[in-house]
Amino acid sequence: DADVTQTPRNRITKTGKRIMLECSQTKGHDRMYWYRQDPGLGLRLIYYSFDVKDINKGEISDGYSVSRQAQAKFSLSLESAIPNQTALYFCATSDPTGLSNEQFFGPGTRLTVL
Amino acid sequence: GQNIDQPTEMTATEGAIVQINCTYQTSGFNGLFWYQQHAGEAPTFLSYNVLDGLEEKGRFSSFLSRSKGYSYLLLKELQMKDSASYLCAVPLAYSGAGSYQLTFGKGTKLSVIP
Repeated sequence: DADVTQTPRNRITKTGKRIMLECSQTKGHDRMYWYRQDPGLGLRLIYYSFDVKDINKGEISDGYSVSRQAQAKFSLSLESAIPNQTALYFCATSDPTGLSNEQFFGPGTRLTVL
Repeated sequence: GQNIDQPTEMTATEGAIVQINCTYQTSGFNGLFWYQQHAGEAPTFLSYNVLDGLEEKGRFSSFLSRSKGYSYLLLKELQMKDSASYLCAVPLAYSGAGSYQLTFGKGTKLSVIP
């Protein structure tokens, strides 16, 4: 089983709809992140959480909100989706005690807003 | 702030050696990461350099010069499966206990041809 999972993997929605993307992990990591990836722009950080009660804005948080329901779950919401939020979204985790400080990425959610 | 530059695209021949460069500007240095990302898939960790010099890991090596704000990823004995994007990333902020927010470069798309 994958250590970091994302649901759904693909979603097509319409402008103005509320969308929730979910991320779950079995790695036991405290740190979780949400990124979006756009062609030519690379990966950009939306929100991150270092613990269940900790939420921090990243580079591009406008139009998004998050919820850290448990150590293993971190959800990203688009309250009113707009077409320029069409992108590939990745969740990631990291272990603060790890030697390499690497982040582990989920498989991604491809979101299309029409 | 952070600024990361890497070439947009590169092409190399199967069996050859290719070097992918990354230059960065950061207010505080806490290491440099390289990730590999195949099209439509999640980024996967390749290397983490925090000290100057070359670190070798099989066919892949990563070099860092902190004084020059420069790193490169060296891929030897190229294989077709090495066709992917290679992402350079530096930590945006250190939150203590070894965890970081990462700022990613836009990635270098490597095409390996027969």
